[in-house]
Amino acid sequence: DTAVSQTPKYLVTQMGNDKSIKCEQNLGHDTMYWYKQDSKKFLKIMFSYNNKELIINETVPNRFSPKSPDKAHLNLHINSLELGDSAVYFCASSHSSSYNEQFFGPGTRLTVL
Amino acid sequence: GENVEQHPSTLSVQEGDSAVIKCTYSDSASNYFPWYKQELGKGPQLIIDIRSNVGEKKDQRIAVTLNKTAKHFSLHITETQPEDSAVYFCAARFVRDDKIIFGKGTRLHILP
Repeated sequence: DTAVSQTPKYLVTQMGNDKSIKCEQNLGHDTMYWYKQDSKKFLKIMFSYNNKELIINETVPNRFSPKSPDKAHLNLHINSLELGDSAVYFCASSHSSSYNEQFFGPGTRLTVL
Repeated sequence: GENVEQHPSTLSVQEGDSAVIKCTYSDSASNYFPWYKQELGKGPQLIIDIRSNVGEKKDQRIAVTLNKTAKHFSLHITETQPEDSAVYFCAARFVRDDKIIFGKGTRLHILP
């Protein structure tokens, strides 16, 4: 009965590689988000999608490309990984807009070596 | 710019005492203020929220107050328990962009 799930939970990779993180929600929400949490625990919005349409893109490098195949899924693909991309990435979802509670996934810890 | 300031960054209180975390926000149009608790190795989870049409909300040991004039809101936890130890984030909704901006978090330690 998982609400927001992410895979993988841990991802260790070399600089320059390309990797993807997947997110799925079974809450029937129409808005999904990606957040980045750095080593100091700062939580920053990266992207949001509403009904598969990109709503927010927070000046994230274009090496990061989100894709929403349907309302229940929002994947994050990262090209040419850099050391500074190491962080925990959280997916979240909400009903309609950020005026409602966001439900977070368990996070994906990305380590770039 | 869009900003949420949160203080303190670390807070230690004796079990049974109260804890208070304070936040300020920059946009007077902000209308939704959630508080999230993040336990080790987990995603943030909403514990309480308040909308701009009320000044106070309470849920058992947790209460939030909002002062729109001062652009200030606070989280109050009474009768703290060991399971309250976690990182707490305040947040504010910035209406123009329809996005949530988080404060930098408060690490709360409950001392036995």
